[in-house]
Amino acid sequence: NAGVTQTPKFQVLKTGQSMTLQCAQDMNHEYMSWYRQDPGMGLRLIHYSVGAGITDQGEVPNGYNVSRSTTEDFPLRLLSAAPSQTSVYFCASSYTSQGGAYEQYFGPGTRLTVT
Amino acid sequence: EDQVTQSPEALRLQEGESSSLNCSYTVSGLRGLFWYRQDPGKGPEFLFTLYSAGEEKEKERLKATLTKKESFLHITAPKPEDSATYLCAVEERNTGFQKLVFGTGTRLLVSP
Repeated sequence: NAGVTQTPKFQVLKTGQSMTLQCAQDMNHEYMSWYRQDPGMGLRLIHYSVGAGITDQGEVPNGYNVSRSTTEDFPLRLLSAAPSQTSVYFCASSYTSQGGAYEQYFGPGTRLTVT
Repeated sequence: EDQVTQSPEALRLQEGESSSLNCSYTVSGLRGLFWYRQDPGKGPEFLFTLYSAGEEKEKERLKATLTKKESFLHITAPKPEDSATYLCAVEERNTGFQKLVFGTGTRLLVSP
């Protein structure tokens, strides 16, 4: 199993450009999520999905869109990049349950710089 | 609002020098507390899940414990390869599916 994969590994954008960060998992996990990691701050949840066709906002959703058309893929779209979106982005996946806490498996990250 | 505070921010140990990392948390009802290890330039790697006060889990030189207000990650006789950032996260019972709140981490450096 490849686990959680993310592409690209690095990206530089100019302010106003749009792009999509790709995330895929091969563990048949229902739950997928996107986090951003900034210096001095903990990982913060951007958006998450509990299954194909179902998405919801996390703590910091502004400026980002998501969709989930398959179990395997969960892309994150930046509509109009801003310097404040310079960060490292992590995708994660796990089994899902309303009653239990399952560990999330993280991808290797995408380092994004917006100039 | 859920809060997770980790201390110290950074810790430098000599090889073989045991110590503990602290994770203090505030949630209205804990579903689970997670410990992750993160190496530079990589994604967090899962270590442990703790569910209730008094629970302990071990893996090689690491042992995680949980009380009603905090968790400790004890590192016994560390080796240089234990150098990493250790992250703590909590999942609250009433906030929906797997919404983790992370602390800012403890950077551990173990010197030979």
